[in-house]
Amino acid sequence: AQTVTQSQPEMSVQEAETVTLSCTYDTSESDYYLFWYKQPPSRQMILVIRQEAYKQQNATENRFSVNFQKAAKSFSLKISDSQLGDAAMYFCALDMRFGAGTRLTVKP
Amino acid sequence: EPEVTQTPSHQVTQMGQEVILRCVPISNHLYFYWYRQILGQKVEFLVSFYNNEISEKSEIFDDQFSVERPDGSNFTLKIRSTKLEDSAMYFCAIDGTESSGNTIYFGEGSWLTVV
Repeated sequence: AQTVTQSQPEMSVQEAETVTLSCTYDTSESDYYLFWYKQPPSRQMILVIRQEAYKQQNATENRFSVNFQKAAKSFSLKISDSQLGDAAMYFCALDMRFGAGTRLTVKP
Repeated sequence: EPEVTQTPSHQVTQMGQEVILRCVPISNHLYFYWYRQILGQKVEFLVSFYNNEISEKSEIFDDQFSVERPDGSNFTLKIRSTKLEDSAMYFCAIDGTESSGNTIYFGEGSWLTVV
């Protein structure tokens, strides 16, 4: 069975600073996809970044980057130069399975 | 990015009534998904639908739920005999293409309130 664990229910960061959100997972598959989704108060699910398991290079998308450690089954999200609009729930996902989410607060 | 339209955006229903939630992708897709998110809780996978058949379902997706694609376009989730605990946001999602990394794209959700 596939599982996704986000051990940080809440995180806080100062505007313009960097924050890292943690995610670990478990799967018996060798090929899979990992995602980070953002859910603002509007409750829409917005894709932030994706990573293909067979690619060793960490994905980046502007201020968002991941640290993908396949052997450790870890997939953390780093947000650089945090902005007020980054405040949201962030969900880590392994294929179709989602973690419990991390609520990120950005302080001005 | 693929677009997905969900209707209704919000529905209030009496306990015990049947509800049908609809999902309309802008372009043709093979994979469809339904997820549920109870207020303040995690996003829960319900079912995936491929080539007009259920490909995978979670333990949540019991006999109370059913999915179909009646006209080859709309993708529906039917909830029979609704219960108070069915109150949640229901998200339809579709797959992207291989070039988009098999990413799941979400609709804006249908908020169901059972009273």
